[in-house]
Amino acid sequence: EIVLTQSPATLSLSPGERATLSCRASQSISSSLVWYQQKPGQAPRLLIYAASNRATGIPARFSGSGSGTDFTLTISSLEPEDFAVYYCQQRSDWPPWPFGQGTKVEIK
Amino acid sequence: QVQLVESGGGLVKPGGSLRLSCAASGFTLSDYYMSWIRQAPGKGLEWVSYISSSGSTRYYADSVKGRFTISRDNAKKSLYLQMNSLRAEDTAVYYCARDPGTLVDLWGQGTLVTVSS
Repeated sequence: EIVLTQSPATLSLSPGERATLSCRASQSISSSLVWYQQKPGQAPRLLIYAASNRATGIPARFSGSGSGTDFTLTISSLEPEDFAVYYCQQRSDWPPWPFGQGTKVEIK
Repeated sequence: QVQLVESGGGLVKPGGSLRLSCAASGFTLSDYYMSWIRQAPGKGLEWVSYISSSGSTRYYADSVKGRFTISRDNAKKSLYLQMNSLRAEDTAVYYCARDPGTLVDLWGQGTLVTVSS
């Protein structure tokens, strides 16, 4: 089973700063990676699919990159509403489709 | 309004059963694969189960295989999760999720299942 490892566990930054989140897969998953954002008390929200495609309505400050085993979610300039937990999920052809353990982006 | 609304959560004793339901509105359920995803209190997301648009193909996480059954009734615009032999570690918020095949693009608000004596 493919395992996803996200780093860091917590990222402490100020509004306006750049956030770089990592997700590493235990084996190659091509570009079959999805990113979600979750705020406290809310369901997750789709951000990025197929490693680098922004979902509908997602601001351009969010970008995804990578392929194979190493993936990155970048938030170019943090807005107050971006402080949340971010999860990656692998979506190769067949289940299971595990999530990473999450990265919390908190206000410094 | 495009939405998913879960129901059926609650408190159940270890070894007990519970059936979750998810009502879909604002879109044609039969056009989509669907998934259940859960989140234990204070923990991360865990994919649980997936069903094809017709219901003919189903997948389960190893942690629930043999105990949980996913099903759907497209005519009733509903998705279900039958949970048997529940354990304390099944305690979580269970999300119904619309799954076009390579991502989840719509989530319900979740329903809390607590397994405790």
